[in-house]
Amino acid sequence: DAGVIQSPRHEVTEMGQEVTLRCKPISGHNSLFWYRQTMMRGLELLIYFNNNVPIDDSGMPEDRFSAKMPNASFSTLKIQPSEPRDSAVYFCASSFYVWGDQPQHFGDGTRLSIL
Amino acid sequence: TQLLEQSPQFLSIQEGENLTVYCNSSSVFSSLQWYRQEPGEGPVLLVTVVTGGEVKKLKRLTFQFGDARKDSSLHITAAQPGDTGLYLCAGAENYGQNFVFGPGTRLSVLP
Repeated sequence: DAGVIQSPRHEVTEMGQEVTLRCKPISGHNSLFWYRQTMMRGLELLIYFNNNVPIDDSGMPEDRFSAKMPNASFSTLKIQPSEPRDSAVYFCASSFYVWGDQPQHFGDGTRLSIL
Repeated sequence: TQLLEQSPQFLSIQEGENLTVYCNSSSVFSSLQWYRQEPGEGPVLLVTVVTGGEVKKLKRLTFQFGDARKDSSLHITAAQPGDTGLYLCAGAENYGQNFVFGPGTRLSVLP
């Protein structure tokens, strides 16, 4: 079975540019999560969706960040305009339903570098 | 918002040694999960514990959930270089609310 698929794996762009990260969750999973990981702050939850509806976006750092889930098989995280402090590894994860004892299945992440 | 603390932050040991890492909080968890993350990859679930005092074993790994469901430990027996990675605990309150990850313990097992 295919796992969570993220693209691109690596992104290097200049400050001020728009960045779009993509995620395809595991088929049949109803919940999707976006995380950001840095050495300083660890793994931070940015936003999560349940049945394609955003439930909690309190982790989104600023209005420059936005996320969409137009259908059950696709989600995007967009940063516009990007800044050097946005450099991090961004992970997408999916699960059968939100939280509880359900495991989250993570993609391999997008390593984002903003110059 | 609950916070999870993990200790130690870093651990470097020789192959064959035993080790224990800890996950603590002032909050009560309805469930707690342990993940391992290897370089360049996302975290992968190792185990979920849901009952206070529960002990689960996964080959050389033993996971324990505290009686009060506020803490957990992971013990590795006879560590191997393949155990190297970042070990993350994650917990949820009230069967879903306020799910958070701890900062992790970075383990290095030297051959």
